[in-house]
Amino acid sequence: KAGVTQTPRYLIKTRGQQVTLSCSPISGHRSVSWYQQTPGQGLQFLFEYFSETQRNKGNFPGRFSGRQFSNSRSEMNVSTLELGDSALYLCASRGQINTEAFFGQGTRLTVV
Amino acid sequence: DQQVKQNSPSLSVQEGRISILNCDYTNSMFDYFLWYKKYPAEGPTFLISISSIKDKNEDGRFTVFLNKSAKHLSLHIVPSQPGDSAVYFCAASGGGANSKLTFGKGITLSVRP
Repeated sequence: KAGVTQTPRYLIKTRGQQVTLSCSPISGHRSVSWYQQTPGQGLQFLFEYFSETQRNKGNFPGRFSGRQFSNSRSEMNVSTLELGDSALYLCASRGQINTEAFFGQGTRLTVV
Repeated sequence: DQQVKQNSPSLSVQEGRISILNCDYTNSMFDYFLWYKKYPAEGPTFLISISSIKDKNEDGRFTVFLNKSAKHLSLHIVPSQPGDSAVYFCAASGGGANSKLTFGKGITLSVRP
């Protein structure tokens, strides 16, 4: 069974640009969550989608948005990039609530 | 508001000894707890979980203990191996609005040969 796939793995963008990250969950998993990891801050929750509906949202500004498609694939978009958005963005999929989440390798975003 | 806390940022142990990683939580609605291991530039890897109806769960060298009254859980690794050196995250979830996984800030474990 294929794992969670995130693309691209690395990205360099200029301040003010926008970026779209992609995540393909494990087959059969309908829940996809996004996290931001920065040094010393652990994994900060961005949002979770289940069957194309946003189920939970973290405390991030509106520049961060996401969506989920009917095949459970998910995209995350960040508009008007700031230097502080430089981070590792991780996607995770789950089959059900209160089961383990499986993570992708992450997308390393660098904003210059 | 940090609902899951890993108060020690790092731990160093000798190979072959026990590693004990601690985690505290504040949200009494959490009823499912997990530990993840993470290497640099990779996604976290699931290690072990425990439901609030249990107080202990074992998987090979890894054992998780849950003390609900103290809102505390711990991960024991016995015996510790150099390959266990990584960042370990504690996570928790519950029902409804708490269904998302909430993570602690992680603890860096170093196992000395």
